[in-house]
Amino acid sequence: AQTVTQSQPEMSVQEAETVTLSCTYDTSENNYYLFWYKQPPSRQMILVIRQEAYKQQNATENRFSVNFQKAAKSFSLKISDSQLGDTAMYFCAFMKQEYGNKLVFGAGTILRVKS
Amino acid sequence: ETGVTQTPRHLVMGMTNKKSLKCEQHLGHNAMYWYKQSAKKPLELMFVYSLEERVENNSVPSRFSPECPNSSHLFLHLHTLQPEDSALYLCASSQDGGNEQFFGPGTRLTVL
Repeated sequence: AQTVTQSQPEMSVQEAETVTLSCTYDTSENNYYLFWYKQPPSRQMILVIRQEAYKQQNATENRFSVNFQKAAKSFSLKISDSQLGDTAMYFCAFMKQEYGNKLVFGAGTILRVKS
Repeated sequence: ETGVTQTPRHLVMGMTNKKSLKCEQHLGHNAMYWYKQSAKKPLELMFVYSLEERVENNSVPSRFSPECPNSSHLFLHLHTLQPEDSALYLCASSQDGGNEQFFGPGTRLTVL
């Protein structure tokens, strides 16, 4: 069974600075997907960024980028130029290629952006 | 309405009550999901429906009963719940094939 570990329960960052959230996972699969989801205090979970395991290039979405290390089974999220609106719970998630698209989530990291 | 909607947003029920949670997706997706989010625990996948067929039932107690009448609607029927079932219940949908899941706002359930 796959597991996802987020070792940082809480993180803080000053506005405009950069922060990195850690995620490691355990799987014997070779083809899979990794995601970072954001859940602001309003509770609506939204996708931040997505990475296909077969792609060596790290995914980037504006201020958000990942450092995907397949051999190390590591998938960290870097947020540049942090904004107050980035304050949220961030979840790392794993999905293997199979019928049903089942996500396995980590426990989450609470990120607080301070002004 | 756009995206994934859930009703009610808040629900308080006694252990002997019967209630239902409703989820509707307006995205044309063919898969829908129920998750349970408890404090200080990872999101737990409860049920998966793909093309209106249940493909996953993660050892969920029988007091939770899902129903998927069509690809746009998903229900979670609740009966004789326990206080430990109090949680945020999230619905999600996706297009099968490794794509992202879109989540609803959740139903905050409190069992007294």
